[in-house]
Amino acid sequence: QKEVEQNSGPLSVPEGAIASLNCTYSDRVSQSFFWYRQYSGKSPELIMSIYSNGDKEDGRFTAQLNKASQYVSLLIRDSQPSDSATYLCAVNRGYGGSQGNLIFGKGTKLSVKP
Amino acid sequence: DGGITQSPKYLFRKEGQNVTLSCEQNLNHDAMYWYRQDPGQGLRLIYYSQIVNDFQKGDIAEGYSVSREKKESFPLTVTSAQKNPTAFYLCASSVTGAGDEQFFGPGTRLTVL
Repeated sequence: QKEVEQNSGPLSVPEGAIASLNCTYSDRVSQSFFWYRQYSGKSPELIMSIYSNGDKEDGRFTAQLNKASQYVSLLIRDSQPSDSATYLCAVNRGYGGSQGNLIFGKGTKLSVKP
Repeated sequence: DGGITQSPKYLFRKEGQNVTLSCEQNLNHDAMYWYRQDPGQGLRLIYYSQIVNDFQKGDIAEGYSVSREKKESFPLTVTSAQKNPTAFYLCASSVTGAGDEQFFGPGTRLTVL
């Protein structure tokens, strides 16, 4: 069973701090990694995608990928109360005709305190 | 505006009834997906389609059916055979279906009375 694991939280950080969200995955051949943000009662919104080892930055968000350790993380700098949401990690299955299919973690709930 | 639409937003069903959830996209994406989300759970794949007139079962297809007669449309039918249908249903699409980014519609919340 291919899995994606995330700490369910809640992760609480003060406004202006760096929030660090972590995700591990079990399928070594996965090639595509995504972070989604989901506000309560809403659908997931894609915020970052990463395909190569290393860091990828987009505004206040940085995704980090380490395929050898099967680990992907999301850093949110200068956290704002509006960042309070559940963050979902998703990884593609990485094989055959279902390589486009994503496996989702259960999400980490982030709370940014003013 | 390009995007994915789902209707209805809320749906109530009596036990034993089939219901169909609509998903339409005008992004010209080849691949479309249906997920189910239960409270405190990750998204689970029900069905997916990488091309018109073709679709595949996901991890939890029992009690569901789909069709893909048009590129822009991928309706999901929840049949009476689905034992626990109350959930948040999410439709997504991607350009190629080969591990690229998936974008979600607003979702349909189904409640069985």
